Amino acid sequence: GQQLNQSPQSMFIQEGEDVSMNCTSSSIFNTWLWYKQDPGEGPVLLIALYKAGELTSNGRLTAQFGITRKDSFLNISASIPSDVGIYFCAGLQGNAGGTSYGKLTFGQGTILTVHP
Amino acid sequence: DTGVSQDPRHKITKRGQNVTFRCDPISEHNRLYWYRQTLGQGPEFLTYFQNEAQLEKSRLLSDRFSAERPKGSFSTLEIQRTEQGDSAMYLCASDPRGLFFGEGSRLTVL
Repeated sequence: GQQLNQSPQSMFIQEGEDVSMNCTSSSIFNTWLWYKQDPGEGPVLLIALYKAGELTSNGRLTAQFGITRKDSFLNISASIPSDVGIYFCAGLQGNAGGTSYGKLTFGQGTILTVHP
Repeated sequence: DTGVSQDPRHKITKRGQNVTFRCDPISEHNRLYWYRQTLGQGPEFLTYFQNEAQLEKSRLLSDRFSAERPKGSFSTLEIQRTEQGDSAMYLCASDPRGLFFGEGSRLTVL
C-alpha cells in the first residue's frame, strides 16, 4: 500500500543532543500526526498538525506541517534516555472529522537510540 | 493511559485455529479502527466503524477476518483458520482529532 518516506531509518545520539526527523510523500495530506512507540506497546500520539505551515510544540518536541502538504518534520530538543523508541509519522488525506478520518498512512518509523 | 484497552495482549496459537481480539475504545469516541502492524513496519489500516456500522474495509482484510461492533461500544476482530502470515500486532484505535491507540494484541501463529 501507499507509504510515507520517513528518514532517517535510525539515529544514535548522545543525551542532550537535538534530533530531527522528517517524512515526505508524493501525495498531499491534510493532516499529519507524529507518534512514538515503545517495544510491545501501541503508538502514542505526540503531536497532531491540521494546517499547512502549522508549527506546533509539545514540551521538547516541535513538529511542522509542510507548506506543500507533502512533508512534515519532528524535532526533539535536548534528548534524554526516555526518548528512546520508534517514531512514526502518519498522514491523512481526508479532512479531520470526515468519514475516513482515521484511515492513516504511516511511515516506516525512525528508531531513536539515546546514549547516556 | 490512552483509555483504549485491548485483550488479550498476547496470543500464541497453532496454524488453523481461530482467534478473537477485543477492543474497548475511549467511551465518548464513536469511531473505532483496527490496524495491523508487522515487525519493522508502521501500522496498516484494516477496518473502521462509526458506532455499530462498519464503513470501510481494507483489501488486507481477507475473508478469514471479520470485525464486529454490535452495540457501538466494544469491538471484536476474529481471524479464522489462522496462517503464519497472520502473525502481527493488531492495534485498535479511536478518535477524534488524532487516533489514540490501545496497547495492541500480539498474535503469534506457530
